[in-house]
Amino acid sequence: RKEVEQDPGPFNVPEGATVAFNCTYSNSASQSFFWYRQDCRKEPKLLMSVYSSGNEDGRFTAQLNRASQYISLLIRDSKLSDSATYLCVVRTDSWGKLQFGAGTQVVVTP
Amino acid sequence: NAGVTQTPKFRILKIGQSMTLQCTQDMNHNYMYWYRQDPGMGLKLIYYSVGAGITDKGEVPNGYNVSRSTTEDFPLRLELAAPSQTSVYFCASSTRQEAEAFFGQGTRLTVV
Repeated sequence: RKEVEQDPGPFNVPEGATVAFNCTYSNSASQSFFWYRQDCRKEPKLLMSVYSSGNEDGRFTAQLNRASQYISLLIRDSKLSDSATYLCVVRTDSWGKLQFGAGTQVVVTP
Repeated sequence: NAGVTQTPKFRILKIGQSMTLQCTQDMNHNYMYWYRQDPGMGLKLIYYSVGAGITDKGEVPNGYNVSRSTTEDFPLRLELAAPSQTSVYFCASSTRQEAEAFFGQGTRLTVV
């Protein structure tokens, strides 16, 4: 079983719509959680950290469910510029190693 | 701000050749990482370092070596290149365990 699993998509989303997707992780001792965004052939960039109480950054909302070992990302009022691959990232141990999911592709259409 | 700088951006190697991928960061980060990303796949950790003089293997270390003689530099060495090492290589750094990781722009390596 992979340490971090994501639905690869693509999620085809009309502009202005809401899209949500999850990521599951296998290590119950995982300590930190993040969503990164990666544009085609570019380096990943941090979108947001995910906190236990859930957090929101503009149109983006992240949730953590430790009991079921998943995190989620919701994008409201989707923009064309939101088209990208969203990487779920989990820090699994005290040495700081980051485990990446394979990514969920989101395509926002006019 | 330079951030994390990787060189070269592109390289074509012949089977059996060796090369070093350079990575340097100017943010005084202790943690540095090397990842590879194959088409349509997630990033896989090759090696990481928690400070100068300290390195450890990640998920896919075979065929690679690293060193960390300074805080700034974390070169990745490929010995005896193989077609299976064709990939995009990303170097990243962070300040501490919970902090954001900053990535370089990547090195696209093709082994033929």
